[in-house]
Amino acid sequence: KQEVTQIPAALSVPEGENLVLNCSFTDSAIYNLQWFRQDPGKGLTSLLLIQSSQREQTSGRLNASLDKSSGRSTLYIAASQPGDSATYLCAVPRSGGYNKLIFGAGTRLAVHP
Amino acid sequence: DGGITQSPKYLFRKEGQNVTLSCEQNLNHDAMYWYRQDPGQGLRLIYYSQIVNDFQKGDIAEGYSVSREKKESFPLTVTSAQKNPTAFYLCASSRDREGGGYTFGSGTRLTVV
Repeated sequence: KQEVTQIPAALSVPEGENLVLNCSFTDSAIYNLQWFRQDPGKGLTSLLLIQSSQREQTSGRLNASLDKSSGRSTLYIAASQPGDSATYLCAVPRSGGYNKLIFGAGTRLAVHP
Repeated sequence: DGGITQSPKYLFRKEGQNVTLSCEQNLNHDAMYWYRQDPGQGLRLIYYSQIVNDFQKGDIAEGYSVSREKKESFPLTVTSAQKNPTAFYLCASSRDREGGGYTFGSGTRLTVV
């Protein structure tokens, strides 16, 4: 059974720091991996989708990498800003269901001025 | 603008009462999903639908029911059989079976009073 774990559960950093959020999954036979952002009391916004054939994806100050063999993905945020404060969740498709996702519990990020 | 609309934003349920959460999308997506989110936890799949007039149970379907009579609409009913319904409910849709274009609504917070 696929399980997704995110470390750390919470992170507080000063503005301007580069930071790394971690996601691990137990079954490496995944089709893709997605990173989402969730603001308090809101829905999720898709940030990056990495296909299994890719090793990384970039969008602005965000860079996500995928290492299927080790069951790990990292989300790198460069030059963090207070507006980056949110919960970041990673998700992978469950076996046999490409679009039915299994989510980690998320990393709650606070960037203070 | 295309998106997913969930209503109401807040909902209060009395013991023994059935309530229905609305989810409407204008993205022309075939697949739609209902997830439940509890504090400090990831999302868990309740029901999903790949096509009109067809839907399947997710991991925690007991005490819930859905219908998919129109492509745009995927309402969720929380029945009195659901013993712990207090949670944040998120509706989502995706463009394809590979999980591309995953879009979430803004959520409904259900509280039992």
